[in-house]
Amino acid sequence: DTEVTQTPKHLVMGMTNKKSLKCEQHMGHRAMYWYKQKAKKPPELMFVYSYEKLSINESVPSRFSPECPNSSLLNLHLHALQPEDSALYLCASSQDVSAYEQYFGPGTRLTVT
Amino acid sequence: DQQVKQNSPSLSVQEGRISILNCDYTNSMFDYFLWYKKYPAEGPTFLISISSIKDKNEDGRFTVFLNKSAKHLSLHIVPSQPGDSAVYFCAANSNSGTYKYIFGTGTRLKVLA
Repeated sequence: DTEVTQTPKHLVMGMTNKKSLKCEQHMGHRAMYWYKQKAKKPPELMFVYSYEKLSINESVPSRFSPECPNSSLLNLHLHALQPEDSALYLCASSQDVSAYEQYFGPGTRLTVT
Repeated sequence: DQQVKQNSPSLSVQEGRISILNCDYTNSMFDYFLWYKKYPAEGPTFLISISSIKDKNEDGRFTVFLNKSAKHLSLHIVPSQPGDSAVYFCAANSNSGTYKYIFGTGTRLKVLA
């Protein structure tokens, strides 16, 4: 099983809402990642978790709050987002942070109104 | 500053012919390169990779060539098939401990039947 799943597929939220994006993998990977991708742009790294600990935060605003409850799950909590945060949010995982290949989920298309 | 560049936003190729996708980079510390394929509404799928100690890596119809002196890599698809129509991203990283990928902007390949 080389699948990374993400829920929901689509999310529309207002600027005062609180929502969460979820990511799951059952490949035994110990590194998990959140990326943001705007239309016609490459994915941009947001966060890296290694062995369930946050190891990289690419200066992401605090309205994005990641959480790794266990080795298979990665959440991204959203609060007080702005319309410019509308994007495709991709989760990825790899064997560990030293593994080069990352496996991506299908993404959550987020629209902030 | 775009460290990984894919200067052709789109490419059309006849089925059965060769597709050549190009990628240039500026950071000489990059030592591992990957190609991802992305279909609409899906996350990027890992395709093929190459280490800087090699100049060629082949996997079935896909071959990646690396020219370190020119800081250039290319992906060859032979023969091209309609199912290859997708956006192709090259990505690079350096053995800096962060294993952060820098993605190019992508090239949309259309294989015409």
